[in-house]
Amino acid sequence: QQQVRQSPQSLTVWEGETAILNCSYEDSTFNYFPWYQQFPGEGPALLISIRSVSDKKEDGRFTIFFNKREKKLSLHITDSQPGDSATYFCAASGSNYNVLYFGSGTKLTVEP
Amino acid sequence: GPKVLQIPSHQIIDMGQMVTLNCDPVSNHLYFYWYKQILGQQMEFLVNFYNGKVMEKSKLFKDQFSVERPDGSYFTLKIQPTALEDSAVYFCASSFPQTNTGQLYFGEGSKLTVL
Repeated sequence: QQQVRQSPQSLTVWEGETAILNCSYEDSTFNYFPWYQQFPGEGPALLISIRSVSDKKEDGRFTIFFNKREKKLSLHITDSQPGDSATYFCAASGSNYNVLYFGSGTKLTVEP
Repeated sequence: GPKVLQIPSHQIIDMGQMVTLNCDPVSNHLYFYWYKQILGQQMEFLVNFYNGKVMEKSKLFKDQFSVERPDGSYFTLKIQPTALEDSAVYFCASSFPQTNTGQLYFGEGSKLTVL
């Protein structure tokens, strides 16, 4: 059973547009939701995260919107830049030793 | 920032052989993890390790897999014997024990090709 789902699988936006990446989860015990950014040939790196007690987390051009009731969250990237082109993974964690469960990723391409 | 180092970056072996993937975690971290990623797709949790013990493992962590960190040296993933379906990129991660919010730091991965 896939615990974390992401959509779309791939997304292309023009430079300056807002990219919206979606994520949903199954397990109601999940309470920590990081987003990781991965460039080809590299390991994932933490981009931004949110805890379930909050409904919004902002860091520069990156914002997470969280809906606990619907078990959904989204990552908004405003003023998208070509350097943002990467695969973005939504992940979730509950109480078990910080194990992160990842979604299948969204490959974002920002066209200049 | 903190770095997790993985050795080797790429290894090619024949099916049935043994392979050991090495991970040098962030120095003050106490939780260690292995994840498997195929073709840039989903990161699949394999196992995590704390205080010399496996704390949790997934169905992907087959009997042929083992992990250890002898005397604070490398955190290793050993596969013996290897199978074709073990071909993937294996990522090591480490974290400092903060309840539920410990950020995982990932290495750059070890690409394993089983022929």
